[in-house]
Amino acid sequence: EAQVTQNPRYLITVTGKKLTVTCSQNMNHEYMSWYRQDPGLGLRQIYYSMNVEVTDKGDVPEGYKVSRKEKRNFPLILESPSPNQTSLYFCASSVLQGTTEAFFGQGTRLTVV
Amino acid sequence: SQELEQSPQSLIVQEGKNLTINCTSSKTLYGLYWYKQKYGEGLIFLMMLQKGGEEKSHEKITAKLDEKKQQSSLHITASQPSHAGIYLCGAVYIGQNFVFGPGTRLSVLP
Repeated sequence: EAQVTQNPRYLITVTGKKLTVTCSQNMNHEYMSWYRQDPGLGLRQIYYSMNVEVTDKGDVPEGYKVSRKEKRNFPLILESPSPNQTSLYFCASSVLQGTTEAFFGQGTRLTVV
Repeated sequence: SQELEQSPQSLIVQEGKNLTINCTSSKTLYGLYWYKQKYGEGLIFLMMLQKGGEEKSHEKITAKLDEKKQQSSLHITASQPSHAGIYLCGAVYIGQNFVFGPGTRLSVLP
């Protein structure tokens, strides 16, 4: 089954404690991206990757890092989480940017206290 | 996103009624996507429109992209409780990242 898998689904952490949210896709897609969704602000892109070892900033990259060492994985790293990073995060993948259907993960609800 | 606006923000309809959600772009679209999101869950792809005047249907949902490629409408016929959720339009613009509209929250009363 074609899917994008995120882990964990829910996470509560404390300010400053490094965390990683994993994202994996099984469709051999080149394009992957991370979004955060906040009430009143909608979905905003954090980072995206056009292919292995190619990553670029989205609209709200501050406080986040990503890596793309393998085609299937695109982890989101918060080196020093802060309460304003409390949000619902989505990972997505597609064959190419903007030309085909994008598949989304189920989301990770992160709370930073 | 400031590029995409959706109307209405929220909608409550009685089961069986038809409804329309609009997505308006401030500039010409390269591609327009419709997604549905169940509350707190991931997005489900519905349709993609690229050509001006294009219309696509999936079950009871029809989406159109106007000729000028700056507005799209999503029409649901004979709504059911399973249609409830948040409908988001997304767009690609030349030289920009993928952007989403703010969403339309749909409730269908049985």
